[in-house]
Amino acid sequence: DTGVSQDPRHKITKRGQNVTFRCDPISEHNRLYWYRQTLGQGPEFLTYFQNEAQLEKSRLLSDRFSAERPKGSFSTLEIQRTEQGDSAMYLCASSLGRGSYEQYFGPGTRLTVT
Amino acid sequence: AQTVTQSQPEMSVQEAETVTLSCTYDTSENNYYLFWYKQPPSRQMILVIRQEAYKQQNATENRFSVNFQKAAKSFSLKISDSQLGDTAMYFCAFRGGATNKLIFGTGTLLAVQP
Repeated sequence: DTGVSQDPRHKITKRGQNVTFRCDPISEHNRLYWYRQTLGQGPEFLTYFQNEAQLEKSRLLSDRFSAERPKGSFSTLEIQRTEQGDSAMYLCASSLGRGSYEQYFGPGTRLTVT
Repeated sequence: AQTVTQSQPEMSVQEAETVTLSCTYDTSENNYYLFWYKQPPSRQMILVIRQEAYKQQNATENRFSVNFQKAAKSFSLKISDSQLGDTAMYFCAFRGGATNKLIFGTGTLLAVQP
């Protein structure tokens, strides 16, 4: 399978702990996106990378959130000092370009903060 | 700010029948892109169909077609000959011409009944 992969698929953590998620995009895609999806809602944009450069960040991305994409390949999303409101599905997507180019989504990482 | 509205939280259709899902959006841009994504239960999101705003012709993909009304800012999805595998959450999404992020609606849960 050469689609977008995410790891782990599920994460349960206690409030106050740090968590890190990984996304591996489709290999030839230079653009990578992170979204957050809460129950009953559509995905909300968090951040975007073109190669290794983080070019766009949402105001949803508080200072407890940080994302990296070293060497323009895989990406990590870290949440520090997790809160119950961080419980959500975290989706990663990748694309070849902008405009009408399709964003291919991964299966997501479901985070539960207890 | 751009917004996407899906006013039908849930819909049901009989197998082999036709169903139309509604979507409206708000933007001041003239160049943009619209998408319908499908999210089956516990599976990842996949693109159903896309429409470039500069194209007057409505997009079609096999059993899926759109009715794009630019002046009315409306972008509905028609599914013909509905199949059980069409059961999913359907999200309408907007992408501005100068941005990379997708803005999603809240989704419509479609159930295809046998």
